[in-house]
Amino acid sequence: DAKTTQPNSMESNEEEPVHLPCNHSTISGTDYIHWYRQLPSQGPEYVIHGLTSNVNNRMASLAIAEDRKSSTLILHRATLRDAAVYYCILRDVDFGNEKLTFGTGTRLTIIP
Amino acid sequence: ETGVTQSPTHLIKTRGQQVTLRCSSQSGHNTVSWYQQALGQGPQFIFQYYREEENGRGNFPPRFSGLQFPNYSSELNVNALELDDSALYLCASSLVGADYGYTFGSGTRLTVV
Repeated sequence: DAKTTQPNSMESNEEEPVHLPCNHSTISGTDYIHWYRQLPSQGPEYVIHGLTSNVNNRMASLAIAEDRKSSTLILHRATLRDAAVYYCILRDVDFGNEKLTFGTGTRLTIIP
Repeated sequence: ETGVTQSPTHLIKTRGQQVTLRCSSQSGHNTVSWYQQALGQGPQFIFQYYREEENGRGNFPPRFSGLQFPNYSSELNVNALELDDSALYLCASSLVGADYGYTFGSGTRLTVV
């Protein structure tokens, strides 16, 4: 499985943008980049995903490097509710190998 | 969207017993996966079901088994419970293919004593 590397923890001030980095140097051409977050005592929550182009949705933006070896999840204006563990995951199109391989993620702390 | 619902939310079992956990997939989704999350760790893939058949399995022994029903609901069965099986068990549903996100339930907290 292609692996991702994320910082163990990050801090950000409330109402400021947050950039969460992820390295995936062994990514294959068919791997999609997915981001999930997990709030305390809850299951993971889908945030965003992309293949090659930058993506935006109501929760966040995903910036993907041109060589696809890294990506950045952008929270445009952090709130206290964004405090969570964020997971960057590569998902292949290989039918029969649909699993999500979670790493340790980045624990994001929001400072009021 | 109805989301993914899991039952029960908490469960305490004795070592050696058997347990069945249940999951109702999000409406319109055709795959269901189960994950085990130990305290302080990321979720670990147990297996996935598609069209009522197992479609991928992680590094878990055969005493972990599952079922998917025609209405896309699912069960996770664990036999001969061990203390290390204590964890949060998560169910997730999706459409097959990498261009879709998973919807996770809130999980069942299993404690084996």
